[in-house]
Amino acid sequence: DTGVSQDPRHKITKRGQNVTFRCDPISEHNRLYWYRQTLGQGPEFLTYFQNEAQLEKSRLLSDRFSAERPKGSFSTLEIQRTEQGDSAMYLCASSPLRGGGETQYFGPGTRLLVL
Amino acid sequence: AQTVTQSQPEMSVQEAETVTLSCTYDTSESDYYLFWYKQPPSRQMILVIRQEAYKQQNATENRFSVNFQKAAKSFSLKISDSQLGDAAMYFCAYKSRYGGSQGNLIFGKGTKLSVKP
Repeated sequence: DTGVSQDPRHKITKRGQNVTFRCDPISEHNRLYWYRQTLGQGPEFLTYFQNEAQLEKSRLLSDRFSAERPKGSFSTLEIQRTEQGDSAMYLCASSPLRGGGETQYFGPGTRLLVL
Repeated sequence: AQTVTQSQPEMSVQEAETVTLSCTYDTSESDYYLFWYKQPPSRQMILVIRQEAYKQQNATENRFSVNFQKAAKSFSLKISDSQLGDAAMYFCAYKSRYGGSQGNLIFGKGTKLSVKP
């Protein structure tokens, strides 16, 4: 079990550019979650998937944000037309559907800086 | 909507001593989970301890234990025999067991714990 991995770990972009982040969950974890964490704050929920179905989206997930999990394995989070306010740490987590499914295991995060 | 409050932005403890981090939450639900997560500087968040609301017994994990007071909606974390490696941000989090928001964890703002040698 290699844990949740995220790529890239750091991303610097200019305002208006599009960025895409990838998350690989723990093998056989059915559920995958995206959170955003700004400096000095706790993580805030963005969206979650059960297998390939996106079951819940936060109001934080504006129409510039889109997330996919096409085959129920890895997931991507895309931000279009980035704004300086998008600068944050983007965290991915996964959990099994049963047998401890309430516990989420986090990846190292992708730190985004929008200039 | 549920909320989680951590009233101590920073705490400090001497190595080998005991420290307690506070957390209160607000919910109208009767069944839920509570968690403490640890986030070391520039490292990923890891689970410290978990409590099911329907269990009256307080959870313990080695040097970490909780004081869960359901009626008071309080969930504090006690760290015994503090070690330098315990220095980190600690987040309290809530998760519904049932209902629409089954996916997300609701986090507090965190408490930064420093450990003095």
